[in-house]
Amino acid sequence: DAGVIQSPRHEVTEMGQEVTLRCKPISGHNSLFWYRQTMMRGLELLIYFNNNVPIDDSGMPEDRFSAKMPNASFSTLKIQPSEPRDSAVYFCASRDAGELFFGEGSRLTVL
Amino acid sequence: KQEVTQIPAALSVPEGENLVLNCSFTDSAIYNLQWFRQDPGKGLTSLLLIQSSQREQTSGRLNASLDKSSGRSTLYIAASQPGDSATYLCAVYSGGGADGLTFGKGTHLIIQP
Repeated sequence: DAGVIQSPRHEVTEMGQEVTLRCKPISGHNSLFWYRQTMMRGLELLIYFNNNVPIDDSGMPEDRFSAKMPNASFSTLKIQPSEPRDSAVYFCASRDAGELFFGEGSRLTVL
Repeated sequence: KQEVTQIPAALSVPEGENLVLNCSFTDSAIYNLQWFRQDPGKGLTSLLLIQSSQREQTSGRLNASLDKSSGRSTLYIAASQPGDSATYLCAVYSGGGADGLTFGKGTHLIIQP
């Protein structure tokens, strides 16, 4: 398997623009996570899906953030409108038998 | 609430040395513990997963141990190499969904050639 695949790897946008990050989990994994990593706050859980259903979105910072998982092989994280404080690396991860696998991340810079 | 601490936050050692990274957690009721490595600008790569019933796991030059009763895990790296330079994170899964997964802040390791 190719592992967890995220796109884009890098995104630079202007404040107020919509940003969509994409994730393809490892086939057969039924849990998917979105994390955000910054130097100041470390790794933060944003949202968690199990069998495509959002289970815990308490980590989503505010209503500007939304996430969907329309099927078992695809998830999106959307920020609208984006703000400079959203600049971070966003990771997607999927889990199987208790072991977590991460994608390479999407580095977002909001100017 | 589970808390995971990694000490030291940073470590620099000469090539060839054996070294130990530490991970401690406050609640011993865990399902498993996972060690990751993160290279700059990259994602987290899973190194070892230890189930709560296990005492240790080995992969190549890496050995991870788990002592649930004392709330500690160690990652032992034998014969360190410059390519081992990275940030090492441990994560503890205490069950109950995603919020049962708690990460430490990592140990930034530098192996001097």
